[in-house]
Amino acid sequence: ETGVTQSPTHLIKTRGQQVTLRCSSQSGHNTVSWYQQALGQGPQFIFQYYREEENGRGNFPPRFSGLQFPNYSSELNVNALELDDSALYLCASSSGTSLGDEQFFGPGTRLTVL
Amino acid sequence: SQQGEEDPQALSIQEGENATMNCSYKTSINNLQWYRQNSGRGLVHLILIRSNEREKHSGRLRVTLDTSKKSSSLLITASRAADTASYFCATALMRGGADGLTFGKGTHLIIQP
Repeated sequence: ETGVTQSPTHLIKTRGQQVTLRCSSQSGHNTVSWYQQALGQGPQFIFQYYREEENGRGNFPPRFSGLQFPNYSSELNVNALELDDSALYLCASSSGTSLGDEQFFGPGTRLTVL
Repeated sequence: SQQGEEDPQALSIQEGENATMNCSYKTSINNLQWYRQNSGRGLVHLILIRSNEREKHSGRLRVTLDTSKKSSSLLITASRAADTASYFCATALMRGGADGLTFGKGTHLIIQP
């Protein structure tokens, strides 16, 4: 059974640029959620994708967008990067949309915006 | 916004001692989960306790939930150096999964050898 993987591990961008982060969900999981974790803070929910549709969204602006593919892998896109977007971005997969089951997190992508 | 608040923010104990961390939250929940994070890496799920449960055990972990006080505690018994990490509580709201998990700021636990 393959766990959740994310790429790249680290990324440095400049303000105003666009970035795409990728996540491969655990085998058999059809739901992916994305979280942003600023330094010294807990993760904050960005959005959730279920069967290629956005299923829920946290308090993030529209420049944060995502995709889920037929194989349930997912992308997080952030446009017009701001300095405050510097954070660890985590994706989590699960076998359904309910949060009554365990969420499996990937190792994260650390994004630095200069 | 962060629904859960862990207490203390940091905790340093000797190896072999027990570590207790507390979490308070604000709104009604479906369940509460505890996660561990090592050095800014991915989160590892430790234990989930549902709103109709009061206590749960998993190995050296013991979690309690008091919905009347909107609080939970995580006890790690016989701590080991490898338990050094940040611990987060996360709540799943009654409204369902599409809201995502709401995390606190975490407790940084240091186990002194």
